[in-house]
Amino acid sequence: AQTVTQSQPEMSVQEAETVTLSCTYDTSESDYYLFWYKQPPSRQMILVIRQEAYKQQNATENRFSVNFQKAAKSFSLKISDSQLGDAAMYFCAYRRKGNQFYFGTGTSLTVIP
Amino acid sequence: KAGVTQTPRYLIKTRGQQVTLSCSPISGHRSVSWYQQTPGQGLQFLFEYFSETQRNKGNFPGRFSGRQFSNSRSEMNVSTLELGDSALYLCASSSDRGPSYEQYFGPGTRLTVT
Repeated sequence: AQTVTQSQPEMSVQEAETVTLSCTYDTSESDYYLFWYKQPPSRQMILVIRQEAYKQQNATENRFSVNFQKAAKSFSLKISDSQLGDAAMYFCAYRRKGNQFYFGTGTSLTVIP
Repeated sequence: KAGVTQTPRYLIKTRGQQVTLSCSPISGHRSVSWYQQTPGQGLQFLFEYFSETQRNKGNFPGRFSGRQFSNSRSEMNVSTLELGDSALYLCASSSDRGPSYEQYFGPGTRLTVT
């Protein structure tokens, strides 16, 4: 089974600074999809950013960007200009078409005013 | 489009009882997945339904079952509840039509077993 590893259970960042959350995954497949989800204290899980493995270009969504290293099986999330509203649990996820999602254990991000 | 909805939002049951949770996916989405989320175990995959068929299944006992209807709405049933079943149950839907096959989550049902 595929595994997704988030080695940082907790991270903190000063408001307006940049933080990078790490994620590695294990797969023997070449065609798959990667995601970062955010779960604020209200508990609604929200999609932050997605990356198709066949695309070499790193995905970006406003202040959120990823560093996708396919050979290294690494998929980190960079949050620029951190805001108080970014405080949440962040989950990295992997899936192949038609297969289930595999989630990491999450990284709890604290934003310090 | 309306998002994924789950009912009820909160539920309190007694050990030994059974419970049914409901999930309505985003219109047009044919895939519905269920997850159990607890502080100690994180997000655990229960099962996925696609076009009324169970397509993927996690490692949960047979007390956990589900089904999907022709309108893609899904239900999850837990029989003979145990204290350890107390958790947030999340439902997620996806279109399965690409390009990225992402899932969209509902707000969850908070189940407390006493």
